[in-house]
Amino acid sequence: GAVVSQHPSWVICKSGTSVKIECRSLDFQATTMFWYRQFPKQSLMLMATSNEGSKATYEQGVEKDKFLINHASLTLSTLTVTSAHPEDSSFYICSAQTGAYQETQYFGPGTRLLVL
Amino acid sequence: ELKVEQNPLFLSMQEGKNYTIYCNYSTTSDRLYWYRQDPGKSLESLFVLLSNGAVKQEGRLMASLDTKARLSTLHITAAVHDLSATYFCAVDIAETSGSRLTFGEGTQLTVNP
Repeated sequence: GAVVSQHPSWVICKSGTSVKIECRSLDFQATTMFWYRQFPKQSLMLMATSNEGSKATYEQGVEKDKFLINHASLTLSTLTVTSAHPEDSSFYICSAQTGAYQETQYFGPGTRLLVL
Repeated sequence: ELKVEQNPLFLSMQEGKNYTIYCNYSTTSDRLYWYRQDPGKSLESLFVLLSNGAVKQEGRLMASLDTKARLSTLHITAAVHDLSATYFCAVDIAETSGSRLTFGEGTQLTVNP
């Protein structure tokens, strides 16, 4: 149980285009989903927290107009990188939580984004 | 601001040896996690430590938590090559809006034959 999937697993796009990444909880309902970014040889940095049916909460320094997050259902959250640039190239990882107090986060397999 | 510091950041060790990775954090926390990450992969959950004095073991890995010292350790016993990976600790700070994980910098472990 507690499986989280991401799609696509990797994507290459041209600078200026938008890219959508999906995060799905396959066998549980995720009240809360988290989006992380990881640059090569670095740690994971939390970008935003999204709760189903409400606006995402972004971490300081993360542009909410550039990284659009939608959590429209209890099993799906999407991250759209708008007008992507090479510096947005990174490994994006989502996690999902049932919403219970300090419930464990279950991590997806990640999406590698390369912007040319 | 919560800070989570791991050391060492790089660890090269021989098979059969023992070593400990340390994770210090700067504020009170109710939960501490250890994860493993292989190159190009996402995180694999190893341990969750919930209280002071908690100790958990799985195979050659043992994790402990001292909440008073704000310190967790990941001890490796008789290392084998398959343990080569990057290990992260992460601290969960309960906020009114829910949990929030802050990760350490990671320890890149290489086990040499």
